[in-house]
Amino acid sequence: DTAVSQTPKYLVTQMGNDKSIKCEQNLGHDTMYWYKQDSKKFLKIMFSYNNKELIINETVPNRFSPKSPDKAHLNLHINSLELGDSAVYFCASSQDGFRATDTQYFGPGTRLTVL
Amino acid sequence: DQQVKQNSPSLSVQEGRISILNCDYTNSMFDYFLWYKKYPAEGPTFLISISSIKDKNEDGRFTVFLNKSAKHLSLHIVPSQPGDSAVYFCAASWTQGGSEKLVFGKGTKLTVNP
Repeated sequence: DTAVSQTPKYLVTQMGNDKSIKCEQNLGHDTMYWYKQDSKKFLKIMFSYNNKELIINETVPNRFSPKSPDKAHLNLHINSLELGDSAVYFCASSQDGFRATDTQYFGPGTRLTVL
Repeated sequence: DQQVKQNSPSLSVQEGRISILNCDYTNSMFDYFLWYKKYPAEGPTFLISISSIKDKNEDGRFTVFLNKSAKHLSLHIVPSQPGDSAVYFCAASWTQGGSEKLVFGKGTKLTVNP
Protein backbone atom coordinates (compact mmCIF):
# COMPACT_ATOMS: atom_id res chain seq x y z
CA ASP A 1 0.00 0.00 0.00
CA THR A 2 2.54 2.53 -1.24
CA ALA A 3 2.02 6.16 -0.28
CA VAL A 4 4.18 7.72 -3.00
CA SER A 5 4.94 5.55 -6.00
CA GLN A 6 7.10 6.15 -9.05
CA THR A 7 7.44 4.35 -12.35
CA PRO A 8 9.68 3.13 -13.71
CA LYS A 9 12.18 2.20 -11.01
CA TYR A 10 15.01 2.01 -13.53
CA LEU A 11 15.33 3.74 -16.88
CA VAL A 12 18.21 3.26 -19.28
CA THR A 13 18.13 5.24 -22.49
CA GLN A 14 20.26 6.80 -25.19
CA MET A 15 21.31 10.43 -25.40
CA GLY A 16 18.85 12.55 -27.31
CA ASN A 17 15.80 10.49 -26.40
CA ASP A 18 12.70 11.81 -24.65
CA LYS A 19 11.46 10.00 -21.54
CA SER A 20 8.89 10.39 -18.79
CA ILE A 21 8.78 9.40 -15.15
CA LYS A 22 5.44 9.08 -13.43
CA CYS A 23 4.57 9.76 -9.81
CA GLU A 24 1.41 9.16 -7.84
CA GLN A 25 0.57 9.78 -4.20
CA ASN A 26 -2.44 8.34 -2.37
CA LEU A 27 -2.02 10.45 0.77
CA GLY A 28 -4.43 13.18 -0.27
CA HIS A 29 -1.62 15.73 -0.14
CA ASP A 30 -1.85 19.06 -1.89
CA THR A 31 1.81 19.52 -2.80
CA MET A 32 4.14 17.33 -4.85
CA TYR A 33 7.82 17.67 -5.70
CA TRP A 34 10.55 16.38 -7.94
CA TYR A 35 14.08 16.05 -6.61
CA LYS A 36 17.30 15.06 -8.36
CA GLN A 37 20.10 13.22 -6.58
CA ASP A 38 23.17 13.49 -8.75
CA SER A 39 26.42 11.51 -8.73
CA LYS A 40 27.77 13.68 -5.92
CA LYS A 41 24.80 12.55 -3.81
CA PHE A 42 23.30 15.99 -3.35
CA LEU A 43 19.52 15.94 -3.22
CA LYS A 44 18.18 19.04 -4.95
CA ILE A 45 14.64 20.19 -5.42
CA MET A 46 13.64 20.76 -9.03
CA PHE A 47 9.93 21.53 -9.05
CA SER A 48 6.97 21.74 -6.76
CA TYR A 49 3.27 21.78 -7.57
CA ASN A 50 0.48 22.77 -5.22
CA ASN A 51 -2.99 21.69 -6.35
CA LYS A 52 -1.78 21.34 -9.92
CA GLU A 53 -0.10 24.75 -9.94
CA LEU A 54 3.65 25.25 -10.22
CA ILE A 55 4.99 26.94 -7.08
CA ILE A 56 8.70 26.12 -7.21
CA ASN A 57 10.81 26.01 -10.31
CA GLU A 58 14.48 25.95 -9.48
CA THR A 59 17.15 26.52 -12.07
CA VAL A 60 16.46 23.51 -14.23
CA PRO A 61 16.96 23.26 -18.02
CA ASN A 62 13.73 23.74 -19.89
CA ARG A 63 14.19 20.25 -21.32
CA PHE A 64 12.57 19.20 -18.06
CA SER A 65 8.84 19.75 -18.00
CA PRO A 66 6.63 18.69 -15.10
CA LYS A 67 2.99 17.90 -15.71
CA SER A 68 0.33 17.62 -13.04
CA PRO A 69 -2.96 16.25 -14.42
CA ASP A 70 -4.44 16.25 -10.92
CA LYS A 71 -3.14 16.82 -7.44
CA ALA A 72 -2.39 13.13 -6.93
CA HIS A 73 -0.05 12.93 -9.92
CA LEU A 74 3.09 14.76 -10.93
CA ASN A 75 4.93 13.45 -13.96
CA LEU A 76 8.33 14.52 -15.20
CA HIS A 77 9.06 14.65 -18.90
CA ILE A 78 12.62 15.09 -20.11
CA ASN A 79 13.42 16.01 -23.70
CA SER A 80 16.70 15.47 -25.52
CA LEU A 81 18.33 13.55 -22.71
CA GLU A 82 21.98 14.30 -21.95
CA LEU A 83 24.64 12.33 -20.11
CA GLY A 84 24.45 14.77 -17.20
CA ASP A 85 20.81 13.90 -16.66
CA SER A 86 21.88 10.54 -15.26
CA ALA A 87 20.77 10.58 -11.64
CA VAL A 88 18.19 9.26 -9.23
CA TYR A 89 14.95 11.23 -9.40
CA PHE A 90 12.71 11.28 -6.34
CA CYS A 91 9.11 12.32 -6.20
CA ALA A 92 7.72 13.57 -2.87
CA SER A 93 4.52 15.00 -1.45
CA SER A 94 3.46 17.03 1.56
CA GLN A 95 0.13 17.88 3.12
CA ASP A 96 -0.15 21.59 2.46
CA GLY A 97 1.94 24.16 0.63
CA PHE A 98 5.70 24.02 0.63
CA ARG A 99 6.79 24.59 4.20
CA ALA A 100 9.83 22.96 5.74
CA THR A 101 7.74 22.17 8.81
CA ASP A 102 5.41 20.10 6.63
CA THR A 103 6.84 16.58 6.43
CA GLN A 104 7.63 15.42 2.93
CA TYR A 105 7.01 11.80 1.95
CA PHE A 106 9.32 10.47 -0.72
CA GLY A 107 8.85 7.86 -3.38
CA PRO A 108 11.44 5.08 -3.88
CA GLY A 109 13.24 6.90 -6.67
CA THR A 110 13.83 6.32 -10.38
CA ARG A 111 17.40 5.65 -11.44
CA LEU A 112 17.90 7.20 -14.86
CA THR A 113 20.98 6.22 -16.85
CA VAL A 114 21.71 8.04 -20.09
CA LEU A 115 24.17 6.26 -22.37
CA ASP B 1 28.41 25.96 -3.17
CA GLN B 2 27.61 23.61 -0.32
CA GLN B 3 25.49 25.42 2.21
CA VAL B 4 24.99 22.25 4.22
CA LYS B 5 28.03 20.08 4.75
CA GLN B 6 28.16 16.57 6.06
CA ASN B 7 31.90 16.08 6.12
CA SER B 8 31.88 12.44 7.15
CA PRO B 9 30.72 10.26 4.27
CA SER B 10 30.49 7.26 6.57
CA LEU B 11 30.38 6.26 10.21
CA SER B 12 30.57 2.84 11.83
CA VAL B 13 29.49 2.13 15.41
CA GLN B 14 28.78 -0.88 17.57
CA GLU B 15 25.24 -1.83 18.49
CA GLY B 16 24.23 -0.24 21.79
CA ARG B 17 26.71 2.61 21.51
CA ILE B 18 25.98 6.20 20.61
CA SER B 19 26.00 7.37 16.99
CA ILE B 20 26.76 11.03 16.39
CA LEU B 21 26.17 12.43 12.92
CA ASN B 22 27.36 15.94 12.23
CA CYS B 23 26.27 18.70 9.93
CA ASP B 24 27.77 22.15 9.40
CA TYR B 25 26.09 25.00 7.59
CA THR B 26 27.11 28.36 6.24
CA ASN B 27 23.89 30.34 5.82
CA SER B 28 22.88 32.24 8.96
CA MET B 29 19.41 32.70 7.45
CA PHE B 30 18.56 29.03 7.99
CA ASP B 31 15.67 28.83 10.44
CA TYR B 32 14.67 25.18 10.38
CA PHE B 33 16.69 22.00 10.22
CA LEU B 34 15.69 18.46 9.44
CA TRP B 35 17.20 15.00 9.39
CA TYR B 36 16.06 12.38 6.91
CA LYS B 37 17.00 8.71 6.88
CA LYS B 38 17.35 6.70 3.69
CA TYR B 39 17.56 2.95 3.23
CA PRO B 40 18.91 1.50 -0.03
CA ALA B 41 16.40 1.46 -2.88
CA GLU B 42 13.97 3.58 -0.87
CA GLY B 43 13.23 7.27 -0.69
CA PRO B 44 14.30 9.41 2.28
CA THR B 45 12.01 9.39 5.30
CA PHE B 46 11.67 12.21 7.78
CA LEU B 47 13.31 11.53 11.12
CA ILE B 48 13.46 14.61 13.32
CA SER B 49 13.64 18.38 13.03
CA ILE B 50 14.53 21.46 15.03
CA SER B 51 13.68 25.11 14.82
CA SER B 52 16.47 27.65 15.03
CA ILE B 53 14.95 29.06 18.21
CA LYS B 54 15.73 25.82 20.03
CA ASP B 55 18.98 24.09 20.80
CA LYS B 56 17.70 20.58 21.36
CA ASN B 57 14.88 18.34 20.25
CA GLU B 58 14.41 14.78 21.38
CA ASP B 59 12.29 11.97 20.01
CA GLY B 60 12.88 8.59 21.58
CA ARG B 61 16.38 7.41 20.79
CA PHE B 62 16.99 10.38 18.49
CA THR B 63 18.14 13.80 19.65
CA VAL B 64 19.11 16.72 17.48
CA PHE B 65 21.34 19.45 18.87
CA LEU B 66 21.75 22.87 17.32
CA ASN B 67 24.67 25.19 18.02
CA LYS B 68 23.85 28.37 16.15
CA SER B 69 27.01 30.21 17.06
CA ALA B 70 29.07 27.39 15.58
CA LYS B 71 26.58 26.80 12.74
CA HIS B 72 26.62 23.16 13.68
CA LEU B 73 23.92 20.54 13.92
CA SER B 74 24.26 17.02 15.23
CA LEU B 75 22.05 13.96 15.45
CA HIS B 76 22.57 11.58 18.34
CA ILE B 77 21.20 8.07 18.24
CA VAL B 78 21.38 6.17 21.49
CA PRO B 79 21.43 3.27 21.79
CA SER B 80 22.25 2.52 18.17
CA GLN B 81 20.59 -0.50 16.61
CA PRO B 82 21.47 -2.45 13.43
CA GLY B 83 18.19 -1.23 11.89
CA ASP B 84 19.55 2.32 12.13
CA SER B 85 22.06 1.47 9.39
CA ALA B 86 21.16 3.89 6.61
CA VAL B 87 22.22 7.13 4.97
CA TYR B 88 21.32 10.19 7.02
CA PHE B 89 20.71 13.52 5.29
CA CYS B 90 20.82 16.84 7.04
CA ALA B 91 18.62 19.55 5.52
CA ALA B 92 18.02 23.21 6.22
CA SER B 93 15.38 25.69 5.20
CA TRP B 94 15.05 29.43 5.03
CA THR B 95 12.80 32.06 3.52
CA GLN B 96 14.01 34.04 0.53
CA GLY B 97 11.94 36.44 -1.49
CA GLY B 98 8.83 35.32 0.36
CA SER B 99 9.38 31.67 -0.58
CA GLU B 100 10.73 28.84 1.49
CA LYS B 101 13.91 27.19 0.30
CA LEU B 102 15.27 23.80 1.28
CA VAL B 103 18.77 22.44 0.83
CA PHE B 104 20.18 19.01 1.64
CA GLY B 105 23.63 17.77 2.56
CA LYS B 106 25.32 14.84 0.80
CA GLY B 107 24.49 12.39 3.52
CA THR B 108 26.44 10.22 5.95
CA LYS B 109 26.23 6.46 5.73
CA LEU B 110 25.82 4.97 9.18
CA THR B 111 26.62 1.31 9.77
CA VAL B 112 25.66 -0.18 13.10
CA ASN B 113 27.46 -3.44 13.69
CA PRO B 114 25.81 -6.18 15.77
